[in-house]
Amino acid sequence: GESVGLHLPTLSVQEGDNSIINCAYSNSASDYFIWYKQESGKGPQFIIDIRSNMDKRQGQRVTVLLNKTVKHLSLQIAATQPGDSAVYFCAEVAGNQFYFGTGTSLTVIP
Amino acid sequence: DAGVIQSPRHEVTEMGQEVTLRCKPISGHNSLFWYRQTMMRGLELLIYFNNNVPIDDSGMPEDRFSAKMPNASFSTLKIQPSEPRDSAVYFCASRFGSTDTQYFGPGTRLTVL
Repeated sequence: GESVGLHLPTLSVQEGDNSIINCAYSNSASDYFIWYKQESGKGPQFIIDIRSNMDKRQGQRVTVLLNKTVKHLSLQIAATQPGDSAVYFCAEVAGNQFYFGTGTSLTVIP
Repeated sequence: DAGVIQSPRHEVTEMGQEVTLRCKPISGHNSLFWYRQTMMRGLELLIYFNNNVPIDDSGMPEDRFSAKMPNASFSTLKIQPSEPRDSAVYFCASRFGSTDTQYFGPGTRLTVL
């Protein structure tokens, strides 16, 4: 039968393992990138950002990598915890234009 | 910092009724965004304001939708008349400057019966 709804990419990881969530962006003019986390029933929450003049940025337990050559962005979460279970969105900004990806659903297995 | 405030958090209404969603952005932020999120389409930008002026409303589905920002601390999104297909979670977000990140409110879950 016909499927309905978005089919989010899913990622399941064991608690304590590292997680890598990937995002491909489309606009070569995008110069600012953001990762958001959305827990069930809540709004997207800012995690970390990176500007196009950088290729790596680290936060607390999270690292964002930017590869402008292939227009690829990744979010690495170290020592993944059950509280990290959520949908993760990347967003690209080009001037006043703001584009969200469809998201990746991360499930952490205790 | 209270963050972006939205009200109501939940709204259930009948088809044909007018619905008004409200948003208070973070103080000092000069851009405000309205989004709709559904399982079918994900997160969609409806409209955004810069310094209280609507800049891009190309995402507004149809004339039944309208948004206003009478001052820097308040915005409304109105649907009149509402239809069942308008059922979704509506998010408001604000940001400071043109390249800073957007900060989202908790959303309003709208159900149109």
